[in-house]
Amino acid sequence: GNSVTQMEGPVTLSEEAFLTINCTYTATGYPSLFWYVQYPGEGLQLLLKATKADDKGSNKGFEATYRKETTSFHLEKGSVQVSDSAVYFCALHYGGATNKLIFGTGTLLAVQP
Amino acid sequence: NAGVTQTPKFQVLKTGQSMTLQCAQDMNHEYMSWYRQDPGMGLRLIHYSVGAGITDQGEVPNGYNVSRSTTEDFPLRLLSAAPSQTSVYFCASRPGQGAKGGKTQYFGPGTRLLVL
Repeated sequence: GNSVTQMEGPVTLSEEAFLTINCTYTATGYPSLFWYVQYPGEGLQLLLKATKADDKGSNKGFEATYRKETTSFHLEKGSVQVSDSAVYFCALHYGGATNKLIFGTGTLLAVQP
Repeated sequence: NAGVTQTPKFQVLKTGQSMTLQCAQDMNHEYMSWYRQDPGMGLRLIHYSVGAGITDQGEVPNGYNVSRSTTEDFPLRLLSAAPSQTSVYFCASRPGQGAKGGKTQYFGPGTRLLVL
């Protein structure tokens, strides 16, 4: 079946460090891929998305490239800030008319000054 | 533009009690969903709706009921609360199929539920 696997956290980095959070997926067909971010005490917000192979989503300095050959959608940022501390969820959408997102388990990122 | 709103923000129930979690959106979105978030399990879909009058079960529907009488509202009902339903509940909405940005979900701030 369709699933998303992302690296377990927590990930602890110093400010200005390089960030990678790995995400791989299993899906039939051509799903759309998303990264959502959840700041403490808040709901999830869309961070970036890619709808087809080789698309690169980007927002707020974060990037992720839809790699169909490796079924991956890794999240990267060149220089993290304390304000990036949050839980990051990788997700895939499939099913056309149905409202089904499949989420990974989330990765907690803690950035220290 | 309020987006997706949820009430209450926090609730404590005793086992066997019933309650309704409210969700409303003012973006005229066709699709609405309820998720629960539990540690180490990500978000799991409880129920969803593709339009007023149409609902369907998600991954973990047992113990929950929903209805969609209007486009704006999508309440989640717990008929007889159990400790296993202690969780954080998120409502989400998105535009209909074919609409611009149709696959992007907008989430409410969540309801924290504790069942004793």
